[in-house]
Amino acid sequence: SQQGEEDPQALSIQEGENATMNCSYKTSINNLQWYRQNSGRGLVHLILIRSNEREKHSGRLRVTLDTSKKSSSLLITASRAADTASYFCATDVHGGRALTFGSGTRLQVQP
Amino acid sequence: ETGVTQTPRHLVMGMTNKKSLKCEQHLGHNAMYWYKQSAKKPLELMFVYSLEERVENNSVPSRFSPECPNSSHLFLHLHTLQPEDSALYLCASSQDQWGRGQETQYFGPGTRLLVL
Repeated sequence: SQQGEEDPQALSIQEGENATMNCSYKTSINNLQWYRQNSGRGLVHLILIRSNEREKHSGRLRVTLDTSKKSSSLLITASRAADTASYFCATDVHGGRALTFGSGTRLQVQP
Repeated sequence: ETGVTQTPRHLVMGMTNKKSLKCEQHLGHNAMYWYKQSAKKPLELMFVYSLEERVENNSVPSRFSPECPNSSHLFLHLHTLQPEDSALYLCASSQDQWGRGQETQYFGPGTRLLVL
């Protein structure tokens, strides 16, 4: 299985609710990143959290990292219909050459 | 816009055709990447170039041939592809000296490829 795996695979919520997505990984990392992808488009970087950080905020986004559990979560607060997209976590493996992406969580925000 | 452009955006080709995908980044980055995204699969790293030198080839079939003439341009030459090669091909760049991909990557919009 791949380095990063998101959970759940799909999530459907109402506008205004919060959305939480989780990512688990297997090996030590330098940092973990979250990306967003609108259908059939390129990925857009959302936030990067380094291995010595536990929590990071950016606007309505909150990311946590627990290196002891090898897991991260992405929380989107007060969701909007425009947040509908797939969200991916990506990790850099120590000694690796590039990022490794998970399969993503498909988020649907109903207006 | 992310500062990374890809052309063409859509491509339909037969198995005997030869075509090329082009990627250009306007961010002054020194590392560029090709990824393949198939339906219901994670992004697959295909190639990494750092300082115009290929540092990673993730066991990609030889029918895919990358070219990086300078730090701003990246090509993916395609020949005798198979239908299972149909996918979204994404280019990305980063400011990353050793091709370690530790920093933020900026993605282009992708080329949607259909092989008939």
